[in-house]
Amino acid sequence: LAKTTQPISMDSYEGQEVNITCSHNNIATNDYITWYQQFPSQGPRFIIQGYKTKVTNEVASLFIPADRKSSTLSLPRVSLSDTAVYYCLVEGGGRRALTFGSGTRLQVQP
Amino acid sequence: DARVTQTPRDKVTEMGQEVTMRCQPILGHNTVFWYRQTMMQGLELLAYFRNRAPLDDSGMPKDRFSAEMPDATLATLKIQPSEPRDSAVYFCASGFTSGGHQETQYFGPGTRLLVL
Repeated sequence: LAKTTQPISMDSYEGQEVNITCSHNNIATNDYITWYQQFPSQGPRFIIQGYKTKVTNEVASLFIPADRKSSTLSLPRVSLSDTAVYYCLVEGGGRRALTFGSGTRLQVQP
Repeated sequence: DARVTQTPRDKVTEMGQEVTMRCQPILGHNTVFWYRQTMMQGLELLAYFRNRAPLDDSGMPKDRFSAEMPDATLATLKIQPSEPRDSAVYFCASGFTSGGHQETQYFGPGTRLLVL
């Protein structure tokens, strides 16, 4: 099964940029990399998805190096409301793509 | 703003009782997922359907869990008989799959199940 590895937790302060890196050494050619955010008592919510290089939307940026064995979610100028658990998924179809890891618990302090 | 809906939001039941959870996927989505989340195990995939056909239910305890899609607007997850270890939050998610590529999954609010 494709496995992702992320830091268990991270701390930051309001206004700072936060970068969360995920390693996925077994990524396959057809796999996409997707990040989700989950707040307490809610279901995960899509943040961003990419295949290679860089993707940016209104919420975050996703950096993927050429070998695609890792990816970095970048949250610019975090606020208290960004405190959540962030999951990295490798999605290429099938069960192996639908395994959420333990996620990274981000705590943003004032 | 299309959303996945789940009912009930909360369920408390006694061991041995049947539990049925329902999910209405977003209209137009062809893939439906059932997940279970606990503190100890995190988010686990139980089963998923594509175009109403079950593709994988290997994550479910077969003797007590069953998942179906009677039609494109309804997915159900049943537990019979329920056990205390089934206590968890059960999420349904839907998405669109085309050419083998799974698009974004949209999650419902979850059903919080407590089995006494």
